[in-house]
Amino acid sequence: DIQMTQSPSSLSASVGDRVTITCRASQDASIYLAWFQQRPGKAPRSLIYAASSLQSGVPSKFSGSGSGTDFTLTINNLQPEDFAIYYCQQYNTYPLTFGGGTRVDIK
Amino acid sequence: EVQLVESGGGLVQPGGSLRVSCIASGFTFSDHYIDWVRQAPGKGLEWIGRIRNKVNKYTTEYAASVKGRFSMSRDDSKNSVYLQMNSLKTEDTAVYYCASPYIEPWGQGILVTVSS
Repeated sequence: DIQMTQSPSSLSASVGDRVTITCRASQDASIYLAWFQQRPGKAPRSLIYAASSLQSGVPSKFSGSGSGTDFTLTINNLQPEDFAIYYCQQYNTYPLTFGGGTRVDIK
Repeated sequence: EVQLVESGGGLVQPGGSLRVSCIASGFTFSDHYIDWVRQAPGKGLEWIGRIRNKVNKYTTEYAASVKGRFSMSRDDSKNSVYLQMNSLKTEDTAVYYCASPYIEPWGQGILVTVSS
């Protein structure tokens, strides 16, 4: 199985900040990497697929990059609604696997 | 408007069975794969399986944690997918979400509690 490791596991940031979250795969995931946002008490929401493609309706402040084993999610101009948990998921190989999540909270 | 709505959750004893359903609307359900993802209380997301579409013969994939105990099926005439859960364990307690790749939003989730 491909293990997905996210870092950091949590971070504190201020409104207006830019934050970067890293996801590392234990094996080649090619570009088959997705990012999800989960707000408290809500279902996850897809942000990015194919490592860098923005899901329809997601603001351009979110961006993804990477391929192979190293991926990043960047959020520009952090707003109160962006404080949430972010997960990466590889879908190159079964079983599909998620990272452990990165909690972004308010400093 | 795209919707995925889960139903059928609840409390079940260890060793018991439960079937959770997901009804879709707002997109061409029969064309799409459907995933089940669960989230234990206070924990992260765990993908548990996928059922493909008719073109791909409705084949399935499962996570090792549920393989042999859980099974997925679908009825395209009802825009529905089903998760049959047998031999349930306390560690299966979670919110279960149905989702479809590249389709938003996910279902709202349904709580399954396995406890005596």
